[in-house]
Amino acid sequence: GAVVSQHPSWVICKSGTSVKIECRSLDFQATTMFWYRQFPKQSLMLMATSNEGSKATYEQGVEKDKFLINHASLTLSTLTVTSAHPEDSSFYICSARDTGSSDTQYFGPGTRLTVL
Amino acid sequence: GENVEQHPSTLSVQEGDSAVIKCTYSDSASNYFPWYKQELGKRPQLIIDIRSNVGEKKDQRIAVTLNKTAKHFSLHITETQPEDSAVYFCAASQGYSTLTFGKGTMLLVSP
Repeated sequence: GAVVSQHPSWVICKSGTSVKIECRSLDFQATTMFWYRQFPKQSLMLMATSNEGSKATYEQGVEKDKFLINHASLTLSTLTVTSAHPEDSSFYICSARDTGSSDTQYFGPGTRLTVL
Repeated sequence: GENVEQHPSTLSVQEGDSAVIKCTYSDSASNYFPWYKQELGKRPQLIIDIRSNVGEKKDQRIAVTLNKTAKHFSLHITETQPEDSAVYFCAASQGYSTLTFGKGTMLLVSP
């Protein structure tokens, strides 16, 4: 149980294009999902908290107009990187909190974004 | 906000030895402390967690201890195996709030 999927697992795009990443909880409902960014050999940096049916809460320094988050259902949250640039290249990981089991977070497999 | 410090940043042990990773946190209101294992290029996986109402929790070769007074918690791995090699992250949160992660410890277990 408690499986989180993420799609795509990797994507290469040209500078200026937009990329959408999906995060799904497969066997549980997730009122809250989280989006992280991870640079090589570094820790997980929280970008935003995604709440089903409401606006996402962004961490300080994260541009909400550049990283669009939509959490339209209890099993799906999407992150869209708009007008991507090479500096947006990173490993993006989502996590989902199982609504039925309090505070435990389960992570997706991550998406490797490379912007040329 | 919460601040989590993790030490050491790298840890090398021989197979069969024990490994200990320590974390401190700043917010006394934090009450949930998970540990994640992340292999290269893969997702962080929850290996054990502890809540503030207990001082120790064990699962086979892995144990976590919590000292609320000193605001620190530790991960203990006994009888280490090469497959234990990975980056380990500690984290802290207060109830349903966001997790604050430590910077990670790269554990290398040599055969």
